[in-house]
Amino acid sequence: DGGITQSPKYLFRKEGQNVTLSCEQNLNHDAMYWYRQDPGQGLRLIYYSQIVNDFQKGDIAEGYSVSREKKESFPLTVTSAQKNPTAFYLCASKIEGATEPQHFGDGTRLSIL
Amino acid sequence: GQNIDQPTEMTATEGAIVQINCTYQTSGFNGLFWYQQHAGEAPTFLSYNVLDGLEEKGRFSSFLSRSKGYSYLLLKELQMKDSASYLCAVSGSNYQLIWGAGTKLIIKP
Repeated sequence: DGGITQSPKYLFRKEGQNVTLSCEQNLNHDAMYWYRQDPGQGLRLIYYSQIVNDFQKGDIAEGYSVSREKKESFPLTVTSAQKNPTAFYLCASKIEGATEPQHFGDGTRLSIL
Repeated sequence: GQNIDQPTEMTATEGAIVQINCTYQTSGFNGLFWYQQHAGEAPTFLSYNVLDGLEEKGRFSSFLSRSKGYSYLLLKELQMKDSASYLCAVSGSNYQLIWGAGTKLIIKP
C-alpha cells in the first residue's frame, strides 16, 4: 500500500538536544512538506521541498533543519535553538499540479522532558 | 495580510445537516481545499474548489464564491463518526497552502 510513514509517533526531547523526525513516502510524489500544528491554530509550514536536493523555508523555519537526499525521504531535525518545540508535527506530500491535494502522514507528537 | 476564518466549534445532532463556513483574504487564489481531521490523526482530503459553485461528493458538498472570499462545507445525514475538526486551506499566489485554525464539529445523538 502506498502512503506516508512518519516515525516515531511520540518523541521526547531533553533540553539542549537535537531530535530528528522521519518522513518516508512511497507515492512517488515530488513535493514534500513539514507542518507544525498547535492547539487552536492552523497548520504552519516549516519547510518544503519540490525536488531532490532542494528545499525552501516556510513561515516558521527558525530552529529547524531538513534534508532531501532522496525523493522518498524528507527528515526534519528540531534543533536546540527551537525553544518551544512541543507540538504535533505533520509531514505531507503531493504530486505536481495546483489542483492536487496534499496527503499526510500520521504525525509525530514531540514533547519536552 | 493573509487570513482565513472559520468558527472554532459547532454542535449538531446525528442525522441532521450542518454548514461550516470559511472566509478568506489571500494574495492570489489557486483553489480552496477542505480536510477532515480526527483528534490526534492526520488530516484527510475531502474536497477542492477552484470555480464558483457547488461540488457534491456523497454526503459532503463544498461551495465557493470567489468574489465574496467565501466557502462552506455542507455535511448531510450526520453520523457520529463525523465528529472531527474540519480544516479550510487556500492555495495562494505561490501555490502554498494557507490554513485556517479548523472547526471542531461535535455530533450529539
